[in-house]
Amino acid sequence: QKEVEQNSGPLSVPEGAIASLNCTYSDRVSQSFFWYRQYSGKSPELIMSIYSNGDKEDGRFTAQLNKASQYVSLLIRDSQPSDSATYLCAVTLGTGGFKTIFGAGTRLFVKA
Amino acid sequence: DAEITQSPRHKITETGRQVTLACHQTWNHNNMFWYRQDLGHGLRLIHYSYGVQDTNKGEVSDGYSVSRSNTEDLPLTLESAASSQTSVYFCASSESQGVSTDTQYFGPGTRLTVL
Repeated sequence: QKEVEQNSGPLSVPEGAIASLNCTYSDRVSQSFFWYRQYSGKSPELIMSIYSNGDKEDGRFTAQLNKASQYVSLLIRDSQPSDSATYLCAVTLGTGGFKTIFGAGTRLFVKA
Repeated sequence: DAEITQSPRHKITETGRQVTLACHQTWNHNNMFWYRQDLGHGLRLIHYSYGVQDTNKGEVSDGYSVSRSNTEDLPLTLESAASSQTSVYFCASSESQGVSTDTQYFGPGTRLTVL
């Protein structure tokens, strides 16, 4: 079992819709959770971080964390073509020196 | 402006040659990381450092080495390049030593091809 798993996609949504991206992780004592966006040929950039159970909102983005289910998600409201990218889920492990493990990413395509 | 740079941006080399990829950050961050990114695998941690003279192995460290002689630089060396090391390499840094909540900031990447 991979430590951080994501559906590779592509996930295709129409412009203006809600895009829902999901991530599961295996380390029960994981402490920090991040969503990075990566455009094709570019480096990852942080969108959201979340550390406690519940929802965290920032503009059109909402991160949701459920530690009991070992599940973290990212919702993108009013999706725009400029949101088309690969979204990487990252989890900082609770053991082994705070290493951050990345999922393989989900490709999102927003159709105009 | 503070930044993180990588050089070269593109490199083609031959099997068996030693290759060094440079990473330089001007944020004065304690933590620096090297990842490789391949299709289907996402970002995989090669080596990381929490400060000067500190280096640690990541999940795919075989065939790679790093050294940290100052805060700003963490060069990655491929001792004897292999075709399996053809990949895109990203350097990243974060501020605080051994803190799990830190955001990582990524360099632009180096595309390495080993023939």
